[in-house]
Amino acid sequence: EIVLTQSPGTLSLSPGERATLSCRASQSVSSTYLAWYQQKPGRAPRLLIYGASSRATGIPDRFSGSGSGTDFTLTISRLEPEDFAVYYCQQCATSPLTFGGGTKVEIK
Amino acid sequence: QVQLVQSGAEVKKPGASVKVSCKASGYTFTRYYIHWVRQVPGQGLEWMSIINPSGGSPSFAQKFQGRVTMTRDTSTSTVYMELSSLKSDDTAMYYCARLQETWLAFDYWGQGTLVTVSS
Repeated sequence: EIVLTQSPGTLSLSPGERATLSCRASQSVSSTYLAWYQQKPGRAPRLLIYGASSRATGIPDRFSGSGSGTDFTLTISRLEPEDFAVYYCQQCATSPLTFGGGTKVEIK
Repeated sequence: QVQLVQSGAEVKKPGASVKVSCKASGYTFTRYYIHWVRQVPGQGLEWMSIINPSGGSPSFAQKFQGRVTMTRDTSTSTVYMELSSLKSDDTAMYYCARLQETWLAFDYWGQGTLVTVSS
């Protein structure tokens, strides 16, 4: 099973600041199979990034993804009030599909 | 528009079974695999299972083997997930999600079904 470790667990930032979220895999994952999701309280997750770096439909360009192998990053260039949420990385390269433990981006 | 609409919240006793439905609309039902993901309150996301609406055998995470049954009804574009021998730590929000075949990611999610297991 591929374990995804996200860091930090919580990121305290102000609107307008840059957020950098990390996702590290226990073994190499093809970037094709790495996605990022945003989840707000009481809501289902929403797909942000697929293929490690491609934005899903309707996702603002302040969200970007990068990385390869075992290290992946989600960057939010300038935080908007609606971006404060929990973010998960996920791999579907091998079964079982796995998610990272999440990074909470909270208002400082 | 694409929608996945799940059945309503359930309260079950330990040892019972629960069956959650996920009704798809707005796209060709048989073209996309449906997955189930659960989330214990306050915790992260956990993948459970996958079913091909066109047919074939479902696949499950090992921890759910023997307890999860997946079925589908193509006439109503609905997928069902039944979890048996419920325990208190099965209390969670259960989501169905569509796997976008080109993106290899979950592009649409159901609204979630809260299953509470309590004596």
